[in-house]
Amino acid sequence: GQNIDQPTEMTATEGAIVQINCTYQTSGFNGLFWYQQHAGEAPTFLSYNVLDGLEEKGRFSSFLSRSKGYSYLLLKELQMKDSASYLCAVRIRNAGNMLTFGGGTRLMVKP
Amino acid sequence: DVKVTQSSRYLVKRTGEKVFLECVQDMDHENMFWYRQDPGLGLRLIYFSYDVKMKEKGDIPEGYSVSREKKERFSLILESASTNQTSMYLCASSSQYIPSEAFFGQGTRLTVV
Repeated sequence: GQNIDQPTEMTATEGAIVQINCTYQTSGFNGLFWYQQHAGEAPTFLSYNVLDGLEEKGRFSSFLSRSKGYSYLLLKELQMKDSASYLCAVRIRNAGNMLTFGGGTRLMVKP
Repeated sequence: DVKVTQSSRYLVKRTGEKVFLECVQDMDHENMFWYRQDPGLGLRLIYFSYDVKMKEKGDIPEGYSVSREKKERFSLILESASTNQTSMYLCASSSQYIPSEAFFGQGTRLTVV
């Protein structure tokens, strides 16, 4: 089976940096995604890692270590609008590249 | 602009009814997914399909079935709705061959009374 773990909730201050961790135990790993989801809305894509290392995209960066089954999402210069849930998802190499999600991390940004 | 469209934003159904949730994508994607999302439980995969008429069970298929007769359409069926199926249902699609992200529909909030 697949197991993906993230912290349930985090709180950070506007302007600060926050790191959201994700650990996974899967067979057939074929890439890791991070999504952002505001309350009442559909998830939207943030980043994708398939090789080890850091992917940077503006204020958001994502890191992957396949040997450790570990990823993190780094958010810099936090803004109030970054208050949302952040979902870690792993793509599994099978008949159709199934996508399975962790429970999500609810981030609250305070002034 | 890529698009995944779910037929209803809100639905209220009675216990025991047969419920159809429809999802259509216009990106010619091979993969389509149905998830349900509940507070504290994240997105849980119900079923996914990687081709027309092909389907695989996800983590929580009990009480659900699916149909994929055409590439662009993936239907989720609740054979006999129960109150514990009250949830937000999200459909998504992705390419099987290009390593791109999955795109989500806007969600259907189903209440079973």
